[in-house]
Amino acid sequence: EVQLVESGGGLVKPGSSLKLSCVASGFTFSSYGMHWIRQAPKKGLEWIALIYYDSSNKYYADSVKGRFTISRDNSKNTLYLEMNSLRSEDTAMYYCAKSGGGYRNWGQGVMVTVSS
Amino acid sequence: DIQMTQSPSFLSASVGERVTLSCRASQNINKYLDWYQQKLGEAPKLLIYNTNNLHTGIPSRFSGSGSGTDYTLTISSLQPEDVATYFCLQRNSWPYTFGAGTKLELK
Repeated sequence: EVQLVESGGGLVKPGSSLKLSCVASGFTFSSYGMHWIRQAPKKGLEWIALIYYDSSNKYYADSVKGRFTISRDNSKNTLYLEMNSLRSEDTAMYYCAKSGGGYRNWGQGVMVTVSS
Repeated sequence: DIQMTQSPSFLSASVGERVTLSCRASQNINKYLDWYQQKLGEAPKLLIYNTNNLHTGIPSRFSGSGSGTDYTLTISSLQPEDVATYFCLQRNSWPYTFGAGTKLELK
């Protein structure tokens, strides 16, 4: 069974940094691209980043480009999202999701709150 | 970026009723359109991918259709467990973009 488990969220002040993790199991992690998607409270979904299976390519939404960095460690079956210069508008539930004909598998999400 | 417009934003329907949700793209997305269901407090769940392919384990009362810029999710006979918000997602081009959602409630 595919499982994705996010961690690392919390309450931080504007301008701070935070690093999210997503541990994957139940599939060959090193064979799949991985995404981060977020959802602000009572709002819709926003795709924010993609990393190819071998880290050869990375893509970002304009809203996070230059501030967030997606990475992965295939030896640890773990996806990361390093978030710098956090703003109040980054407050959201952050989900990791696995590529492949739509987002078939999602984590349970991790909450990030940016507030002074 | 491709804009995805869902309608209606809110829908109230009765058990057993046929329900149709719409999603319109700002340009042709070549059928790279998915539908997701999100229940309160849960992560989204894939229902349909590439316009009309039912994801594993999804009841057959859900179906999708469309082409070009216009796409539809149909629930043939609404069940109480279908109360949720439904999002469409285009995967034709970067950045992938979601619609704002249709909140479906029971009448």
